[in-house]
Amino acid sequence: NAGVTQTPKFQVLKTGQSMTLQCAQDMNHNSMYWYRQDPGMGLRLIYYSASEGTTDKGEVPNGYNVSRLNKREFSLRLESAAPSQTSVYFCASRFPSGRGLAKNIQYFGAGTRLSVL
Amino acid sequence: EDQVTQSPEALRLQEGESSSLNCSYTVSGLRGLFWYRQDPGKGPEFLFTLYSAGEEKEKERLKATLTKKESFLHITAPKPEDSATYLCAVQGSSNTGKLIFGQGTTLQVKP
Repeated sequence: NAGVTQTPKFQVLKTGQSMTLQCAQDMNHNSMYWYRQDPGMGLRLIYYSASEGTTDKGEVPNGYNVSRLNKREFSLRLESAAPSQTSVYFCASRFPSGRGLAKNIQYFGAGTRLSVL
Repeated sequence: EDQVTQSPEALRLQEGESSSLNCSYTVSGLRGLFWYRQDPGKGPEFLFTLYSAGEEKEKERLKATLTKKESFLHITAPKPEDSATYLCAVQGSSNTGKLIFGQGTTLQVKP
């Protein structure tokens, strides 16, 4: 049981390049989330998928796209990377709400550290 | 607008010196308040969730409490291994599970 797995762990891009960050969870969770973490800013929600087949914008969606490939996988794409997208990206998944003591808890991956030059 | 503010930003303690971290929040319809621990270079690790004012949770040297406006994370007789960044987050009335995070408190415990 690996939990939430993110790939790659590190990436360096040049301005204008594109890339996809991968996230997979093996906990049979319905909801998945992408956050970015910047110094002094806390974690900010980029996009989320409340259930398979649905995606919605979070607080800072500009410059990103997402795909909920199936129940396990939720990818984040940068079409044309900019230096402002240099950050640490975290994927999380959530236990279905209403399930006793574990309700609403989000579990996080180890992160992808992205630098855009 | 939902908002979370944590204080202090950084805290240095001697081993055994107890203290508290604060998380002040404004949210419409609190569904839950969450505390996470984050070690350098790693993802946030879940510690506690609190659902209603007056609720308390404990785990080893940590105790989390909740009022209608704030939450405290009390650390009793901390050890160097408690050094980490502690994150507070709230979930509002939406059932989508969206969390609003504070900026975190970085705790350093010196031996």
